[in-house]
Amino acid sequence: DIQMTQSPSSLSASVGDRVTITCRASQDITNDLGWYQQKPGKAPKRLIYAASSLQSGVPSRFSGSGYGTEFTLTISSLQPEDFATYFCLQHNTYPYTFGQGTKLDIK
Amino acid sequence: QVQLEESGGGVVQPGRSLRLSCTVSGFTLSSYTMHWVRQTPDKGLEWLALMSYNGFPKYYADSVKGRFTISGDKSKNTMFLQMDSLRDDDTAMYYCARSQSSRSGIDYWGQGTLVTVSS
Repeated sequence: DIQMTQSPSSLSASVGDRVTITCRASQDITNDLGWYQQKPGKAPKRLIYAASSLQSGVPSRFSGSGYGTEFTLTISSLQPEDFATYFCLQHNTYPYTFGQGTKLDIK
Repeated sequence: QVQLEESGGGVVQPGRSLRLSCTVSGFTLSSYTMHWVRQTPDKGLEWLALMSYNGFPKYYADSVKGRFTISGDKSKNTMFLQMDSLRDDDTAMYYCARSQSSRSGIDYWGQGTLVTVSS
């Protein structure tokens, strides 16, 4: 199975901060990666697909980059509604596998 | 508006069975690939199974292969996960999810249904 190593596991930040989250794949997954936001009791929401394409309706402060084995999600200027958990998902090879998640909270 | 709603979760004894349902609206089940994913605080997210838009192919994670079965009823726009021989470590929140194809990422998720396996 492809291992997805996500870091950090938790992060404290302030409104207006720039934040970067990383996922590393144990083997080449080209750009078969998505980023998701999850809030308690809510369905996860896709933010980024194909590693760097912004999902329709998602604010432009979210961006993704990377190819192969290293990927990043960047939030350029944190807003109050962005405090949530974020995770990555690779869909290059079965079984699909997830990063362990990053919990982003208010400093 | 795309919506997925899981149901059927609850408390079940080890070794027993449970069937989860995922009713969708805003799209036709038979035109997409559907997935089941589960989540626990300790292990995080685990992909379990998928069913392609015409019912085949189906893929399963090794952890549930032979115990769980994914299926769908196109007439009811509903997908199912039949879970047999349940174990304590199957306790989790179970989500259904959708992707455009069997090779693309998940684009929509349901809110989940909780399954607790306990004697």
